[in-house]
Amino acid sequence: LAKTTQPISMDSYEGQEVNITCSHNNIATNDYITWYQQFPSQGPRFIIQGYKTKVTNEVASLFIPADRKSSTLSLPRVSLSDTAVYYCLVASTGGFKTIFGAGTRLFVKA
Amino acid sequence: SAVISQKPSRDICQRGTSLTIQCQVDSQVTMMFWYRQQPGQSLTLIATANQGSEATYESGFVIDKFPISRPNLTFSTLTVSNMSPEDSSIYLCSVDFAGGYNEQFFGPGTRLTVL
Repeated sequence: LAKTTQPISMDSYEGQEVNITCSHNNIATNDYITWYQQFPSQGPRFIIQGYKTKVTNEVASLFIPADRKSSTLSLPRVSLSDTAVYYCLVASTGGFKTIFGAGTRLFVKA
Repeated sequence: SAVISQKPSRDICQRGTSLTIQCQVDSQVTMMFWYRQQPGQSLTLIATANQGSEATYESGFVIDKFPISRPNLTFSTLTVSNMSPEDSSIYLCSVDFAGGYNEQFFGPGTRLTVL
């Protein structure tokens, strides 16, 4: 499983766009990139998943460059309720095993 | 998606005792997982529990300490045996519906404190 590296923490203000970058230099051909969000006292929640280029859903966008050695989770116009820990994971389809890295603690201020 | 419940939501236990944590899913699922999350830390996978087969444990976790049952496609239990204060943690179960695409759904967790 590819190891991931993300910033330990980030601060932002309400209404700003937040970009969290994850490095995964050893990503394999079959690996997908998945992001989870975890609020205090709750289990992680799936946000978005992608293989290459750009993926967008109602919550976030995921940008993946051509070499796939990194990815960027983009949260548009964050609010206080987006304060959470965000985890980047890399694993192959069918592998099932999910290994969580340290995560990025995002703190949104008013 | 899925609705996943865990019982108990929290417990305080004495050293040397055992606690069984239940995980119930509102639909059938093949893959279930058990994680541990210590305060302020990331999640650590304990084991993968497939219905009809023995659980597969990750390095550092053994069946004698964390026995797992998976009697059907909607239910699993994790027992934390012979507890010590180092076992104080949040224990979470999760399920994977997407055929291995790593879109997992997590339960709310069980907060365990061992005195």
